[in-house]
Amino acid sequence: GAVVSQHPSWVICKSGTSVKIECRSLDFQATTMFWYRQFPKQSLMLMATSNEGSKATYEQGVEKDKFLINHASLTLSTLTVTSAHPEDSSFYICSGQKNNEQFFGPGTRLTVL
Amino acid sequence: AQSVTQPDIHITVSEGASLELRCNYSYGATPYLFWYVQSPGQGLQLLLKYFSGDTLVQGIKGFEAEFKRSQSSFNLRKPSVHWSDAAEYFCAVGAGGGADGLTFGKGTHLIIQP
Repeated sequence: GAVVSQHPSWVICKSGTSVKIECRSLDFQATTMFWYRQFPKQSLMLMATSNEGSKATYEQGVEKDKFLINHASLTLSTLTVTSAHPEDSSFYICSGQKNNEQFFGPGTRLTVL
Repeated sequence: AQSVTQPDIHITVSEGASLELRCNYSYGATPYLFWYVQSPGQGLQLLLKYFSGDTLVQGIKGFEAEFKRSQSSFNLRKPSVHWSDAAEYFCAVGAGGGADGLTFGKGTHLIIQP
């Protein structure tokens, strides 16, 4: 298999602040990583596709200026939620692609007060 | 646009009994289909996938799924469930296998009765 980690596992922040979430592929190189968002008792919704060394591709309805994605290396992608508001509170999950399969991180629980 | 429907939000099964979780998809071309399991505090784990070939797919932990194109279905089955199978199960469809972002169903919460 392949292991993906996320940091932090949970974070609480004040409204208006920015929060950075890291997604790392620990034992493989991921040219492509994906970011999903999961609301309580809901499905995972694809937010964006992150490609190493290039700009992320955002899904329709996802604000690229609010959810900044950087994929600076083959093992690290970051998601920064800028000027967070309570409606951004959610569970954010990343995945790394290897051999035509996605390996998921454990997720990051964001709570915005 | 592609979509996935999991009609059962909750399913309760007695330990040792058989299980079938339903999944229907909508996709314009040949779909790449997946079943994942999500346990609290753990990442999504792939149970099995269908890309092509034999429509009956074997996965980990004793799970299997059958792709039925005529019914647009990819139901997950297990002949005898264990208490440790209690979790959230997601069916997903992708355009390019794991190369593209996946579209997930809303999930089915499996409860195991002793």
